[in-house]
Amino acid sequence: GQNIDQPTEMTATEGAIVQINCTYQTSGFNGLFWYQQHAGEAPTFLSYNVLDGLEEKGRFSSFLSRSKGYSYLLLKELQMKDSASYLCAVRDAQAAGNKLTFGGGTRVLVKP
Amino acid sequence: DGGITQSPKYLFRKEGQNVTLSCEQNLNHDAMYWYRQDPGQGLRLIYYSQIVNDFQKGDIAEGYSVSREKKESFPLTVTSAQKNPTAFYLCASSIRGSGANVLTFGAGSRLTVL
Repeated sequence: GQNIDQPTEMTATEGAIVQINCTYQTSGFNGLFWYQQHAGEAPTFLSYNVLDGLEEKGRFSSFLSRSKGYSYLLLKELQMKDSASYLCAVRDAQAAGNKLTFGGGTRVLVKP
Repeated sequence: DGGITQSPKYLFRKEGQNVTLSCEQNLNHDAMYWYRQDPGQGLRLIYYSQIVNDFQKGDIAEGYSVSREKKESFPLTVTSAQKNPTAFYLCASSIRGSGANVLTFGAGSRLTVL
């Protein structure tokens, strides 16, 4: 089975940096995803990590350490529109159907 | 534009009634999924289908049923056997095979049992 933990809520100031941590335990790791979800809307894909290291996409970066079962999503130069929930999801290599297990999500509130 | 359409966006149901949520995609994706989201909780997989006329139970399939008669469509029926159906339901699709296989989500259907 899988267990995914991430903080429930974080608050940051516009223009600042926020790091959202995600720890996981899985029987067969096969990739980690980050999604952004605004309230009442569909989640949208942000990043994918399958190898150790940092993936950078503009203001957003995601890091993975498979040996530590750890990932983080880094949001730089925060904007008000970044206020949303951020979902960490892990794919299990032993699960059929591209099955993802999601964490509970981290709600980020950006203040002026 | 390609995407996933879910309907209705909001649905109210009386206890004991079955309801069906629609999910249609024009992305030519083989795989489709239904997730349930409750406040403060992660998405939980209800059912998924990798090809037409085939589907598999997810982690919380009890009280739900699906069909996959067409590649584009994957409707979810919430039956009266589902004891706590009030939730936000998300449909998603992806390509099959190895690799990132990013999920594309619909806008969701919010079901409330009165």
